[in-house]
Amino acid sequence: SQTIHQWPATLVQPVGSPLSLECTVEGTSNPNLYWYRQAAGRGLQLLFYSVGIGQISSEVPQNLSASRPQDRQFILSSKKLLLSDSGFYLCASAPGLAGRDTQYFGPGTRLTVL
Amino acid sequence: QKEVEQDPGPLSVPEGAIVSLNCTYSNSAFQYFMWYRQYSRKGPELLMYTYSSGNKEDGRFTAQVDKSSKYISLFIRDSQPSDSATYLCAVFTGNQFYFGTGTSLTVIP
Repeated sequence: SQTIHQWPATLVQPVGSPLSLECTVEGTSNPNLYWYRQAAGRGLQLLFYSVGIGQISSEVPQNLSASRPQDRQFILSSKKLLLSDSGFYLCASAPGLAGRDTQYFGPGTRLTVL
Repeated sequence: QKEVEQDPGPLSVPEGAIVSLNCTYSNSAFQYFMWYRQYSRKGPELLMYTYSSGNKEDGRFTAQVDKSSKYISLFIRDSQPSDSATYLCAVFTGNQFYFGTGTSLTVIP
């Protein structure tokens, strides 16, 4: 089975500072990777997904960007954080090939922008 | 209309009760159905997965799909305090995933 790592677990950043959240996946190859933001009572908001190295699709226009420099590495970034970027960020993986119909989630990063 | 609708609760039950969690979905073409459990401040954990109408059982958990009504349910038998969490339903269309907003469950000892 696969394991998804995210770091850091928690982060407090000032408005206007840069952001880099990292997600790595073990136990599968060529996964589809996803970044979500979860706000209380509002469910999961899909931010980005990637079907391969360098291939990023954005679901919502925002202050964030994503990159996939390696097959099992997915990075969420921002050049200047806004207060509204606060939230719980989750990385998810849908395993390669036959297992693409199920998503597995990492432990999440709780970001507070002050 | 949202692709997946889920009653947010909160739901509070005594220990040992049978819990029923429910979602409806909008498109009969949806193929795969999942339930996730999410403890506070943690990532969602895949609990149940099914792709056909009918019931799928795993221990105290039963996932039920009724494609004719576009209705999915999760039943928890003999509920335990450790079942206290938020439960999210999800569907996969073959192309995209859609999630419910989650139902908060508290099992009282």
